[in-house]
Amino acid sequence: LAKTTQPISMDSYEGQEVNITCSHNNIATNDYITWYQQFPSQGPRFIIQGYKTKVTNEVASLFIPADRKSSTLSLPRVSLSDTAVYYCLVGDGHTGGFKTIFGAGTRLFVKA
Amino acid sequence: GAGVSQSPRYKVTKRGQDVTLRCDPISSHATLYWYQQALGQGPEFLTYFNYEAQPDKSGLPSDRFSAERPEGSISTLTIQRTEQRDSAMYRCASSPGGQGGTGELFFGEGSRLTVL
Repeated sequence: LAKTTQPISMDSYEGQEVNITCSHNNIATNDYITWYQQFPSQGPRFIIQGYKTKVTNEVASLFIPADRKSSTLSLPRVSLSDTAVYYCLVGDGHTGGFKTIFGAGTRLFVKA
Repeated sequence: GAGVSQSPRYKVTKRGQDVTLRCDPISSHATLYWYQQALGQGPEFLTYFNYEAQPDKSGLPSDRFSAERPEGSISTLTIQRTEQRDSAMYRCASSPGGQGGTGELFFGEGSRLTVL
């Protein structure tokens, strides 16, 4: 399984763009990159997933370079409610099931 | 169901007792996962099911932990002879499965276990 490395914590201010980078040097050919968000006392919630290049949805963008050894989650114009833990996961679910490793995540604290 | 449902939400037990936690996944989802999450830590994989099959249970901490999903729907996680170190939030997630990528995981509210 590809191991991921993320910063332990980050601080930001409301209205700023936040970029969280995840390293996954041992990513396999079939692996996808997925990010989850977790608020205190809640289960993780899916944010975005990608395989290569750039993916954008209504809440975030995911940038994946050609070598796929890292990825960057971009949160535009964060608000106080974006304060949460963000997890980067790497894995392949094509066979219908797989071991999903969350790691410690990145604690984002958004200040007013 | 509309979402993943776990019960009980809170369980307090005495050391040495057995506990069983229940997970009712989204009805159409093939894959079901169990995680253990300690306070301030990320979820740690315990085991998963693909329908009723349990391809990977390598994350179960000891043989006191077992999980079942006999009909490919509802799952139970049983901890025998509980120890204080078993105190944690136990989270269940389900996923449609059988697709490329990791597949979006849908988490339940969790069951918080406290072993006295």
